[in-house]
Order: sequence, then structure tokens, then C-alpha cells
Amino acid sequence: LPVLTQPPSASALLGASIKLTCTLSSEHSTYTIEWYQQRPGGSPQYIMKVKSDGSHSKGDGIPDRFMGSSSGADRYLTFSNLQSDDEAEYHCGESHTIDGQVGWVFGGGTKLTVL
Amino acid sequence: EVQLVESGGGLVQPGGSLRLSCAASGFTFSSYEMNWVRQAPGKGLEWVSYISGSGSTLYYADSVKGRFTISRDNARNSLYLQMNSLRAEDTAVYYCARMLGILDYWGQGTLVTVSS
Repeated sequence: LPVLTQPPSASALLGASIKLTCTLSSEHSTYTIEWYQQRPGGSPQYIMKVKSDGSHSKGDGIPDRFMGSSSGADRYLTFSNLQSDDEAEYHCGESHTIDGQVGWVFGGGTKLTVL
Repeated sequence: EVQLVESGGGLVQPGGSLRLSCAASGFTFSSYEMNWVRQAPGKGLEWVSYISGSGSTLYYADSVKGRFTISRDNARNSLYLQMNSLRAEDTAVYYCARMLGILDYWGQGTLVTVSS
């Protein structure tokens, strides 16, 4: 099974840009991942899917200032013009079918603080 | 508007049982695969179980296999998770989530606490 690794925390100033990272285990470096946002006290919300070639597809209503990209086993979620509303936990996840069985794995999540 | 509303959580002793429900509305429930995902306090997300639209295909995480059973009643637009032989490490908020390739809609979650 893939392993997804995320730094536990990140911070940036209001209006700045920041890039969050999700690293796939090396043998799964070509896999597609999804990003989910979880605001304090809320439930996760789908943001976008990011492929190994850096292409991404966003969910409905996701602002243009949210961008996805890739480099090797790393998948990124980049925010430009950071807003206070972006303060949340960000989870990366990966769905797979192995031996005919569907399953999901998630990273540990990154808590983003807007200063 | 798509809505998923979980219920049935609570405090249960180790070894006990609990049945979670997820009431769905705003979409054709039987057309969608559904999942349960949980989040232990202060931890990340953990996938628990999957069920196909018809209910004929079921999958479980190794951590709950043999103890939890996922099911659905398409006539009642409801998803269920029967949890038996509960352990302290099952303590978490349990979310039901609709699947359309990605997990596109999530409920608000229901808290399960396993403690003596």
C-alpha cells in the first residue's frame, strides 16, 4: 500500500503564498492523490486531484488561487494570496484497487496557520 | 442539496457494540458507492469501509475486518456501520462519505468513544 507523508504544520502571513507537500512512498511515486480541506470543527471537503504529471482537477467552487502541482513523488497544494479562511487542516489521500479491493490511504494532515 | 447526516455515536465499553447510521438526501442514493472514514482525536483520517451502490460489494480496512459490518438500505436512503468488539483505538469521529472517484461529500460526523 502507498504511504503518504505530510509535515504536521505550516504557517504563512495573510496575503502571502505557501506550498503544502504530500510525499508518496517511492515505489508509488506515479500515483494520483487528492487534497481535502478540514476547517476547525468541520468535516473534510474535497479540493482537488493532482496527478504525477502535475495536472489537477478542482472541486466545484474552489478558488483559482488554489493550485496543484507535482515533482517526483511529491504532490503540492499551493495557495496564493492566503486568506484567514484558509486556516485549516489539509489532508492528502489516495484511492486504490489492489487485488480487486478498493481502499483509501491518507497522510497525517498538515495544520495550516495564517498569521 | 446533497446532505449526509450521521447518528448513533456515543460512549461504549470495550468489547461492546454500536450501530452507526448515515441518512442521505439530495441525490439518487442507490447510484453511489459509499464509504466510512474515521478520525481519532488529534489524528489524521483513516478509511474504514466501502460499499457499492447495490450493496453487493464490501471492503474493509484490516484494522476493522471481522469486527465491523457495512450495509445500506437503498429504499431508506441510509448507510450503516455495525461495530462489534469495540476497542479503545476505535475511538474517533466517524464520517460517511459519498464516492464519485473522489470522496465528494462528507457528513458532519458522529463521535464514538470506547472507554470503561
